[in-house]
Amino acid sequence: ETGVTQSPTHLIKTRGQQVTLRCSSQSGHNTVSWYQQALGQGPQFIFQYYREEENGRGNFPPRFSGLQFPNYSSELNVNALELDDSALYLCASSLVPRVGEDTQYFGPGTRLTVL
Amino acid sequence: EDQVTQSPEALRLQEGESSSLNCSYTVSGLRGLFWYRQDPGKGPEFLFTLYSAGEEKEKERLKATLTKKESFLHITAPKPEDSATYLCAVQEESSASKIIFGSGTRLSIRP
Repeated sequence: ETGVTQSPTHLIKTRGQQVTLRCSSQSGHNTVSWYQQALGQGPQFIFQYYREEENGRGNFPPRFSGLQFPNYSSELNVNALELDDSALYLCASSLVPRVGEDTQYFGPGTRLTVL
Repeated sequence: EDQVTQSPEALRLQEGESSSLNCSYTVSGLRGLFWYRQDPGKGPEFLFTLYSAGEEKEKERLKATLTKKESFLHITAPKPEDSATYLCAVQEESSASKIIFGSGTRLSIRP
């Protein structure tokens, strides 16, 4: 079991609404990455935060935004929700931002359903 | 476009029946290839990182190998607790933060 926690566990929203998902990284980890995992698919990279700055972004529109706080916890915000945003949202923390130079530890995810 | 393809999509084995999972990738330059295990309702759990062709890593009944275009995850004498989805991911040389995942192989081991 990793020390990465996410809240809430499940969430139901309607199309057009906004949502905020939260992630607490493992102790000492200053890097958080967010992923979207649709049912039956592998995770897709959304973005990474390192020391409170965005440090890389995948092919997601600007309505997906994030924040990292001084204690290295992080938020993922999604505006104007669409049906296709229904997915498992995962965060992963690591000690350094370069994936592969340190192990990424994933949280259990937040299951978002958009109706 | 960078791609990661895993096969088969699903695999059912009898306990003790060894097999291999495949991950083929196309990237302009490979920084690293990763294997993860994911149990239902949980986040992926890191297994291995491979960096160069010819490299091999082992953990219990699992062994990962890497060539220039693909990686294999060999499972020797699997047990029911090895049942999970196994994900492969690659990181391109030019990217420090982004990794690209395949869709995974759902492995089921019957007792």
